[in-house]
Amino acid sequence: DAKTTQPTSMDCAEGRAANLPCNHSTISGNEYVYWYRQIHSQGPQYIIHGLKNNETNEMASLIITEDRKSSTLILPHATLRDTAVYYCIVSSLDYKLSFGAGTTVTVRA
Amino acid sequence: DVKVTQSSRYLVKRTGEKVFLECVQDMDHENMFWYRQDPGLGLRLIYFSYDVKMKEKGDIPEGYSVSREKKERFSLILESASTNQTSMYLCATRQGGRTNEKLFFGSGTQLSVL
Repeated sequence: DAKTTQPTSMDCAEGRAANLPCNHSTISGNEYVYWYRQIHSQGPQYIIHGLKNNETNEMASLIITEDRKSSTLILPHATLRDTAVYYCIVSSLDYKLSFGAGTTVTVRA
Repeated sequence: DVKVTQSSRYLVKRTGEKVFLECVQDMDHENMFWYRQDPGLGLRLIYFSYDVKMKEKGDIPEGYSVSREKKERFSLILESASTNQTSMYLCATRQGGRTNEKLFFGSGTQLSVL
């Protein structure tokens, strides 16, 4: 599996968009980019995933660069409930997902 | 909604005890996983199972074993608990197959080994 690099922490103002970057320069052609988040005292929760096209669902948008070496998770209107650790994971279809240390996102009122 | 239930939220055991952590899912998922989570280290995969009676080692299997006798239940076993196994343990499930790798997690078991 390709490794990912994320900032350790970031702050965001409530109501504003939160843009979470992730570098995965060694990603291979069959590897997907996944995002999960973990709210305190809970198990991780799936957010979104993509291969090369940008993706959007009810929770977030995922923007993957054309060379696929980096991506950005966008929370369009951050709320206090979005405060969590966000994990960016790169994995091929039939391979286990390995979580790193993630980015601690704090949404402030 | 998928429900992944871990038998205990908090558990305190003594060094050398045999410890069983149970995970039950109600969605007929083929794949099940055990992770441990430690501050600063993120989640690390201990073992996983693609189907009943099948198991594979993850990244840190030493000191652990697993059992999957029925599809809905995946047990993590610490044969002789040690203090360095104090951690948060998370179970997860996945539908399986090539089209869906979305993991569903339980709420975790915080294990303290004294």
